[in-house]
Amino acid sequence: DAKTTQPPSMDCAEGRAANLPCNHSTISGNEYVYWYRQIHSQGPQYIIHGLKNNETNEMASLIITEDRKSSTLILPHATLRDTAVYYCIVRFYTGTASKLTFGTGTRLQVTL
Amino acid sequence: GAVVSQHPSWVICKSGTSVKIECRSLDFQATTMFWYRQFPKQSLMLMATSNEGSKATYEQGVEKDKFLINHASLTLSTLTVTSAHPEDSSFYICSAPQGFSGANVLTFGAGSRLTVL
Repeated sequence: DAKTTQPPSMDCAEGRAANLPCNHSTISGNEYVYWYRQIHSQGPQYIIHGLKNNETNEMASLIITEDRKSSTLILPHATLRDTAVYYCIVRFYTGTASKLTFGTGTRLQVTL
Repeated sequence: GAVVSQHPSWVICKSGTSVKIECRSLDFQATTMFWYRQFPKQSLMLMATSNEGSKATYEQGVEKDKFLINHASLTLSTLTVTSAHPEDSSFYICSAPQGFSGANVLTFGAGSRLTVL
């Protein structure tokens, strides 16, 4: 799997957009970018994933650079409940279930 | 959406006893499930891959005789911590792939917190 690099922590004011960067400069062509988050003492929660194109769902947007070497997760209007550790994971998909390896992630603190 | 249920949510046991943790996919079938462990202030560490109808695959450094995994059906996987000791106290989390077209997205259980006295 391609190695990912994330800042250890970030702060964001409630109501503002939270932009969480992830560097994956060694990503290969068949590797997806996945984002999960873990709120304290809970299991991780899937947020979004993408391969090449930008993606958006009800939770967030994922912006992947054209060279795919980095991506940004955007929470458009952060709330206090978005305070969590956010994990960026790169993993290939071959048509069958595949394990995911979690790094240290970014601890996002949303404040009033 | 897909839901993975874990039971128990928390358990306290005496050193030397065995503890079983159940992981169920409630509204979908899972031929594969993944078991993770998380120590305080650390990230998740994959322990093993549970396979329905066959032996589990353990990650390097994980004792398969201590952490017994059984994938009895397409909706149930169990992790048994045998002869538990205080150093086994941790947060254990299972997950199952949802099978999104073209990618594998994992649904995680809420976790089971084990405290060994």
